Amino acid sequence: GAGVSQTPSNKVTEKGKYVELRCDPISGHTALYWYRQSLGQGPEFLIYFQGTGAADDSGLPNDRFFAVRPEGSVSTLKIQRTERGDSAVYLCASSLGGASGHNEQFFGPGTRLTVL
Amino acid sequence: AQSVTQLGSHVSVSEGALVLLRCNYSSSVPPYLFWYVQYPNQGLQLLLKYTSAATLVKGINGFEAEFKKSETSFHLTKPSAHMSDAAEYFCAVSVPTGGFKTIFGAGTRLFVKA
Repeated sequence: GAGVSQTPSNKVTEKGKYVELRCDPISGHTALYWYRQSLGQGPEFLIYFQGTGAADDSGLPNDRFFAVRPEGSVSTLKIQRTERGDSAVYLCASSLGGASGHNEQFFGPGTRLTVL
Repeated sequence: AQSVTQLGSHVSVSEGALVLLRCNYSSSVPPYLFWYVQYPNQGLQLLLKYTSAATLVKGINGFEAEFKKSETSFHLTKPSAHMSDAAEYFCAVSVPTGGFKTIFGAGTRLFVKA
């Protein structure tokens, strides 16, 4: 597609449930990033993939959060045993990647997760 | 560790007035610096970036920013505000060592009055 897409756009779940959030990056982009944006805050880094591997997962808050990118394209962010504090907008971004920190990241519209 | 501080969560200017959004960073190594804009109900979009070339960086929509190492600042300016500039602006830093995670500031919401 022309840009980064994320599905679903909105997800409402109950405390304790499991959720999966999907990101389709721009075709050809090898780097993929997940961020979490709480109300009134800037995006908070979660994890960065270079190809299929997680190059930096230091932002994942705890072991309830996990992300995969098995074929180096689509990525899924998985949250187990959701808590009310997980409510936020989850953003995905992709870039051409490579050994450079200055490549422009292209952001998707986000998935708004609400945990009741 | 690197960090970003944006001074002022809200800034209000009149149409045609100067826009100045402040950003200070902390980094132990030369950083890459970015400004992103988020329009209502849209994804973040890159305005401009500093990558150790010219210290004055020009971006889209008439915005520019100047990297000042001595002040650890990367303030965003635009000479004349338009109504369409009303949005949330985020300053970000990326350090080119190890992983390339980008650290964002808390954002500054710009209001433009007619």
